[in-house]
Parts: sequence; structure tokens; C-alpha cells
Amino acid sequence: NAGVTQTPKFRILKIGQSMTLQCTQDMNHNYMYWYRQDPGMGLKLIYYSVGAGITDKGEVPNGYNVSRSTTEDFPLRLELAAPSQTSVYFCASSLAGGRDTQYFGPGTRLTVL
Amino acid sequence: DQQVKQNSPSLSVQEGRISILNCDYTNSMFDYFLWYKKYPAEGPTFLISISSIKDKNEDGRFTVFLNKSAKHLSLHIVPSQPGDSAVYFCAASSYSGGGADGLTFGKGTHLIIQP
Repeated sequence: NAGVTQTPKFRILKIGQSMTLQCTQDMNHNYMYWYRQDPGMGLKLIYYSVGAGITDKGEVPNGYNVSRSTTEDFPLRLELAAPSQTSVYFCASSLAGGRDTQYFGPGTRLTVL
Repeated sequence: DQQVKQNSPSLSVQEGRISILNCDYTNSMFDYFLWYKKYPAEGPTFLISISSIKDKNEDGRFTVFLNKSAKHLSLHIVPSQPGDSAVYFCAASSYSGGGADGLTFGKGTHLIIQP
């Protein structure tokens, strides 16, 4: 099992550009999450999904969109990138939600200039 | 407003001694707590958890203590080893909406184990 994989590892964007951060898990987990971690801060929840076709906003959803067309994939879309979106983005998955262990990917380091 | 607080950004402990990492929370709806460990350039990995119905949970060298009245938990590592050097995040969850919500994280404590 590869677990949770994320691509790309690093990316530099110009202000106003858009991109999609990819996340795939091979553990057949129902729940998937996107977090961002700013320097010196904890992780903050952007969006989550409880299954294919179902997504919901977390604490900091503005400027992002998600979709969940399959159990395995949970891409995060940034439209009109802004410097405030410079962060490290982590995708996670769990089998059964809040109580269950979340497994994290290695992260994508994004810089918006 | 930070709901999960880790007030020590860093902690230095000698190898073989006990490491104690602290965490405070303000949201009384939290009823499940977790510790995650993170190495540089990697994602966080789960370490240990505790439900609010317990006050202690042990797993090998790691023990988590929960004091609900004080809204405080701590992670004890005994004995500390060089491989324990990492950033430790305290996280909390509340069983609302079926428990689907993500975790609320503290800012982390960087533990440095000195030889």
C-alpha cells in the first residue's frame, strides 16, 4: 500500500494563476481531508469529504474548491492564487471519520509570488 | 481564537530522560484527543490517542494523560530517544455531525533530544 500520495511536492505560482493539488489514497477510506499549515502554525482544515460525491467546508475554505468523484481521489483546486495561499498543504484520509486515525500524505509546498 | 494550545514552541531533553509535552484546550465539546508526530518534509503520523472517558492511555514508551476539569492533556515519553526528535502536534475532535469533521490542531512543540 502506498497510503496517501500527493502531487506535486513543490510548486511556485504567480498571483492569479490556478492549479490543482492531487491526492490519492489506496486504503479504501471513506473520509478524506485537506489541511493547510502556515509557518509556525497548526494544521487548519480546508475541506473534507465523507464519501464519493459528498464534500463540505472546513475552517478555511475561501479560495479553494474540491470534488470527490471516486473513493480514491480528492483533488484541491486553487483559483486565482494569492500570496495568502502560500502554505504547505496536507491531504489525509481515514476509514471512519472523527474518531478514526487520519493518515497523512507527505504534503505539497506551495509558494505564490 | 485558538481552541487547542501548545504553549511551548520547543523543548530540549537529554537522551534517556522523560519528555513531557503539554496541551490545553478551550472547547468543552472536544471529547477525543490525539497526538501526532511530524518529521521535516513528511506528513504527520499518528502516535497515541485518548477518549474523554479515560484519564490515561499507554502505548510502549508513550503515555497520554487527560485532566478534563483543567482542560489539559500531556504526552510523556520515557525514556526519550534520538529518534523522538520531531514536532509533536496535539489535536482534538468533537463528536458532532456524525464525527465527520476534521481535527483541530495546536501549533506544535518541537522536541529536541540531546545526546
